[in-house]
Amino acid sequence: QSALTQPASVSASPGQSITISCSGTFRDIGSYDLVSWYQHYPGRAPELLIYKVTERPSGVSNRFSGSKSGNTASLTISGLQAEDEADYYCCSYTSGSAFVVFGGGTKVTVL
Amino acid sequence: QVQLQQWGAGLLKPSETLSLTCAAYGGSFSGYTWTWIRQPPGRSLEWVGQIDQSGSTSSNPSLQSRVTISIDSSKTQFSLKLNSVTAADTALYYCARVLYRSYSMDVWGKGTTVTVSS
Repeated sequence: QSALTQPASVSASPGQSITISCSGTFRDIGSYDLVSWYQHYPGRAPELLIYKVTERPSGVSNRFSGSKSGNTASLTISGLQAEDEADYYCCSYTSGSAFVVFGGGTKVTVL
Repeated sequence: QVQLQQWGAGLLKPSETLSLTCAAYGGSFSGYTWTWIRQPPGRSLEWVGQIDQSGSTSSNPSLQSRVTISIDSSKTQFSLKLNSVTAADTALYYCARVLYRSYSMDVWGKGTTVTVSS
């Protein structure tokens, strides 16, 4: 069981927007603005989409945005495209036993 | 842009030592923290450990007693050793660079599949 909780799957049609939640505790998401999100295609290395809750690395589409409220972080993908079909993982610094913890991953399906 | 190339033995027997190396090419090596992350089959990502330029390390408490991470700045390489492996250590292992003061990983290696089987 992962330290951070994500929905196992989310699906939507092209052009729609989706939001993936990532639920943690006061030891991680609730106390630190050190949440990151990764896009992962099977067989490839994960790619950083969002860091420090809302920051986007250069080259990442502005269709990806991050936010946080309390112990829950969220990744929103707007204008969903077929190429967005992948697994998405959240990650947070934690004052708990490990430096960073990951969510269980969310499989995004574009209908 | 820095790229990471990783290598190491892919098939181990129980009780053997996993050994992986990651080399950074095409960018700055100094001043960064470098990390290892793994993904067991069908499961999520798991932080294994990290090392900074001074050689200071930290590792996942669930693995801590078995993990050794080292760095060779002259070769722009860092390495992971995990001893006494079991089938539970079977995973895809990634090396990655930690983005400064963000606890996020902005550059990743392609991954090395490590299988532990008798």
